[in-house]
Amino acid sequence: LAKTTQPISMDSYEGQEVNITCSHNNIATNDYITWYQQFPSQGPRFIIQGYKTKVTNEVASLFIPADRKSSTLSLPRVSLSDTAVYYCLVSRVYNQGGKLIFGQGTELSVKP
Amino acid sequence: SAVISQKPSRDICQRGTSLTIQCQVDSQVTMMFWYRQQPGQSLTLIATANQGSEATYESGFVIDKFPISRPNLTFSTLTVSNMSPEDSSIYLCSVVGTLPGDTEAFFGQGTRLTVV
Repeated sequence: LAKTTQPISMDSYEGQEVNITCSHNNIATNDYITWYQQFPSQGPRFIIQGYKTKVTNEVASLFIPADRKSSTLSLPRVSLSDTAVYYCLVSRVYNQGGKLIFGQGTELSVKP
Repeated sequence: SAVISQKPSRDICQRGTSLTIQCQVDSQVTMMFWYRQQPGQSLTLIATANQGSEATYESGFVIDKFPISRPNLTFSTLTVSNMSPEDSSIYLCSVVGTLPGDTEAFFGQGTRLTVV
């Protein structure tokens, strides 16, 4: 599975848009890009997933350029409750494995 | 979606003893995954538990230290054997979505293990 690289930490203020970029240079054709959020003392929680171009849900947007070697998670108007660790993962479809390899993650700190 | 229950949620154990962690899923899944998360670190995959066959361990993890059972499609256990303080971590159980092509993973709340 492709290795991912993302910033170790980021700071933001309430109401700002936060963009976290992840690089995955060795992504394979059948790999998806998935982002997870983890609060202290909890298991990771799925945020968003995409294959190419742009995906948006009620929580975030995911931008993936044509070469798919990087992706950007965009969190609009963050609040204090968005303080968490965000993981970018490259994963295979369920019937091809489903194994997840976590990178170091980005610790986002949102300040008032 | 899938709801995962892990037991115990936390425990403090003496070195040299073993602890068995249980993971119960509310739906049938082919593969279950066990992760370890050391303090302040990311998650590390320990093994993949398949029903009806032996678990597949990642590099650095061995069956003698982390034996896994998978008696049916909704349940698995991970045992941390002969514990030392270095085994103090959070252990998490995970499954991937049950629909074909689904890659969303669901995690239990984790078991916080402290070895003294």
